[in-house]
Amino acid sequence: LAKTTQPISMDSYEGQEVNITCSHNNIATNDYITWYQQFPSQGPRFIIQGYKTKVTNEVASLFIPADRKSSTLSLPRVSLSDTAVYYCLVGAGAGSYQLTFGKGTKLSVIP
Amino acid sequence: GAVVSQHPSRVICKSGTSVKIECRSLDFQATTMFWYRQFPKQSLMLMATSNEGSKATYEQGVEKDKFLINHASLTLSTLTVTSAHPEDSSFYICSARAGGGALETQYFGPGTRLLVL
Repeated sequence: LAKTTQPISMDSYEGQEVNITCSHNNIATNDYITWYQQFPSQGPRFIIQGYKTKVTNEVASLFIPADRKSSTLSLPRVSLSDTAVYYCLVGAGAGSYQLTFGKGTKLSVIP
Repeated sequence: GAVVSQHPSRVICKSGTSVKIECRSLDFQATTMFWYRQFPKQSLMLMATSNEGSKATYEQGVEKDKFLINHASLTLSTLTVTSAHPEDSSFYICSARAGGGALETQYFGPGTRLLVL
């Protein structure tokens, strides 16, 4: 199982774009990169998933370089409600569906 | 999107009793479900992998006789904490694997807070 490394915490002001980078040097060929958001006392919520290059949905963008050894979650114009822990995980590809959670990144959005 | 529910959301029980937690995939079939445990200010820890129609696979250090898992259908998995003790108090979260082929995404339930007195 690939191990991931993220910053423990980040602070941002409301309205700013936030980029959280995750390193996963040992990612396997069939691994996907998935980001989850977790609020206190709630289960993780799926944000975005990708394999390479760039993926965008209504809430975030995910940038993955060609070597796939890192990825960056981009949250545009964060609000106070985006204060949460964000987890980067690799896996989910066929045959590697188990996910190992790291410590995640605690994002604090400041008014 | 894929929705996973858990019941109950919160349970308080006396030491020595058993507690059952249900995990359901509401709008998709899940051949595999996962059970996690999360202690305060810590990350999620995988306890076991539940496969429909077969025995669950437990992670190292998780007692299979204490945490009984049953995955009787493609939409329901249950976790029973037997003879619960205060140290079993935690936040239990399930997830269900959706998709197939090259990509399989896990969707998580809202969690169950267990407090053992």
